[in-house]
Amino acid sequence: GNSVTQMEGPVTLSEEAFLTINCTYTATGYPSLFWYVQYPGEGLQLLLKATKADDKGSNKGFEATYRKETTSFHLEKGSVQVSDSAVYFCALIRNTGNQFYFGTGTSLTVIP
Amino acid sequence: DTAVSQTPKYLVTQMGNDKSIKCEQNLGHDTMYWYKQDSKKFLKIMFSYNNKELIINETVPNRFSPKSPDKAHLNLHINSLELGDSAVYFCASSWTGLNTEAFFGQGTRLTVV
Repeated sequence: GNSVTQMEGPVTLSEEAFLTINCTYTATGYPSLFWYVQYPGEGLQLLLKATKADDKGSNKGFEATYRKETTSFHLEKGSVQVSDSAVYFCALIRNTGNQFYFGTGTSLTVIP
Repeated sequence: DTAVSQTPKYLVTQMGNDKSIKCEQNLGHDTMYWYKQDSKKFLKIMFSYNNKELIINETVPNRFSPKSPDKAHLNLHINSLELGDSAVYFCASSWTGLNTEAFFGQGTRLTVV
């Protein structure tokens, strides 16, 4: 089947710390991979995506690389800010293209 | 101009009532979704429509009935509301295919009392 597993939170970091949120997936075929971010009281917004193996998605200082060999798509940021506090979701869409599969979400709190 | 808009944003209602949540997208997408997010932020797909046709219907009580009058709209009607229906409901839309992304509405926080 298709599924996404991401590290459980909550995660609390000090400002300027390095962030890694792990994500691994199981999928038939060759899925596209996504990271979405949900700020308090809002809907989900696309943060970055990658559509094929070895692609790197990047946005707002966040990066993730599509690793087919380890079926992973870990999210990283070199220096987090208080404004990065949110819930982060890893997701995939399989090659039939009609359903997104989301991980359970990881809550990040960045303290000054 | 909001891409995916859903109304209302907040809905407080008594057990046993019937309520509807409306969703509209102006992106021209061919696929629309309803997700339920519980208090732990877990997102569960409920329904998916492609060109007005139901293609995913996960295990949800049949008190929940989606209706898609056209490609731009997907409404969710809930009968005989129960306490356990309290959650945030998100509408989303996308194109079919791999090189796509889902656009989400702002959510409807439903509280059943």
